[in-house]
Amino acid sequence: GAVVSQHPSWVICKSGTSVKIECRSLDFQATTMFWYRQFPKQSLMLMATSNEGSKATYEQGVEKDKFLINHASLTLSTLTVTSAHPEDSSFYICSARVPTGSYEQYFGPGTRLTVT
Amino acid sequence: AQSVTQLGSHVSVSEGALVLLRCNYSSSVPPYLFWYVQYPNQGLQLLLKYTSAATLVKGINGFEAEFKKSETSFHLTKPSAHMSDAAEYFCAVSSPRGNKLVFGAGTILRVKS
Repeated sequence: GAVVSQHPSWVICKSGTSVKIECRSLDFQATTMFWYRQFPKQSLMLMATSNEGSKATYEQGVEKDKFLINHASLTLSTLTVTSAHPEDSSFYICSARVPTGSYEQYFGPGTRLTVT
Repeated sequence: AQSVTQLGSHVSVSEGALVLLRCNYSSSVPPYLFWYVQYPNQGLQLLLKYTSAATLVKGINGFEAEFKKSETSFHLTKPSAHMSDAAEYFCAVSSPRGNKLVFGAGTILRVKS
């Protein structure tokens, strides 16, 4: 149980275009999902917390107009990188929080974004 | 505020040897503590978690960790390393029911044959 998927697993886009990444909890309902960014050989950096039916909460320094997050259902959150630039190239990982018990987070397999 | 320090960005052990990955935390409230493993180009897999129950926590793949409040530590151990254990390991802390996981910088484990 507690499986989280991401789509796509990798994407290449041109500078100036937008790209959408999906995060789904496959076997549980997640009222809260998280988006992380991981640069090569570095740890995960929390970008934002996505709550179903409400606006996302962004961490300090993360541009909300650039990284649009939508959590339209209890099993789906999307991250849209708008007007992508090469410096946005990174590994994006989502997680979904189990709503009861230890509230642990289950992570998706990640999406490798390359902006050319 | 919470933080995690992982001592040693790289640890190398021989196959069959003891694995010890160090994690110290800082938290103003009773913490929940986690160890995750990440294989190249993959997401994170939960190894084990401490959520204020037993201080010695057993996880998957033979790993265990002990919560020591007096030392603010949550070190990860495995009695006998296997080649398949080679990966990057992250320690993380959150508050009970907390929204945010705060990760350490990670430790890359190399297993020599």
